[in-house]
Amino acid sequence: QSVLTQPPSASGTPGQRVTISCSGSSSNIGSNYVYWYQQLPGTAPKLLIYSNNQRPSGVPDRFSGSKSGTSASLAISGLRSEDEADYYCAAWDDSLSGWVFGGGTKLTVL
Amino acid sequence: EVQLVESGGGLVQPGGSLRLSCAASGFTFSSYWMHWVRQAPGKGLVWVSRINSDGSSTSYADSVKGRFTISRDNAKNTLYLQMNSLRAEDTAVYYCAIAAAGTGPYYWGQGTLVTVSS
Repeated sequence: QSVLTQPPSASGTPGQRVTISCSGSSSNIGSNYVYWYQQLPGTAPKLLIYSNNQRPSGVPDRFSGSKSGTSASLAISGLRSEDEADYYCAAWDDSLSGWVFGGGTKLTVL
Repeated sequence: EVQLVESGGGLVQPGGSLRLSCAASGFTFSSYWMHWVRQAPGKGLVWVSRINSDGSSTSYADSVKGRFTISRDNAKNTLYLQMNSLRAEDTAVYYCAIAAAGTGPYYWGQGTLVTVSS
């Protein structure tokens, strides 16, 4: 079981807005920054969001992150077929003294 | 252009050892922290280890502590992961990744597959 909890799947139609949740605890999300990664089929993960809500250069502003207490969310607006991928949240855990990931959410664009 | 190229993966018997390498180019390697993250076939991402920019500080996941050793050679722009006492559950694609000091993985290599099986 992963330390951070994500729904195993999510779906939406082109143009829709979808959100993916990530639930943790006071030792990880509650006290540290959240990161989000996108992994397209057969490829390496790519950073989408860092420091809760910051986008690296080159990431479209359709992707946004937020955090409240011990939970975080990734929102994707104007859904496109190329957004079909696995999405992972991550954070530093003070109790484990290590980085922890969510189990991943498989996003399907219908 | 930033490049991370992992190598050293392969098939190894349980109890055996393997050393992974990650050759870095396109950035000032000695200025960045580095991570190893693994992904078992069909499974999610699991953080393995990280090292600071000069190699003086390391951290490990409990599942590999005492068996794996992360190190770096800044003169050769290369990151290493020495893996000993390998188990079937260590079978995974191993990714190296760059990070700013104290932060999470930013840019990832393409990974190298390690298979532990008799």
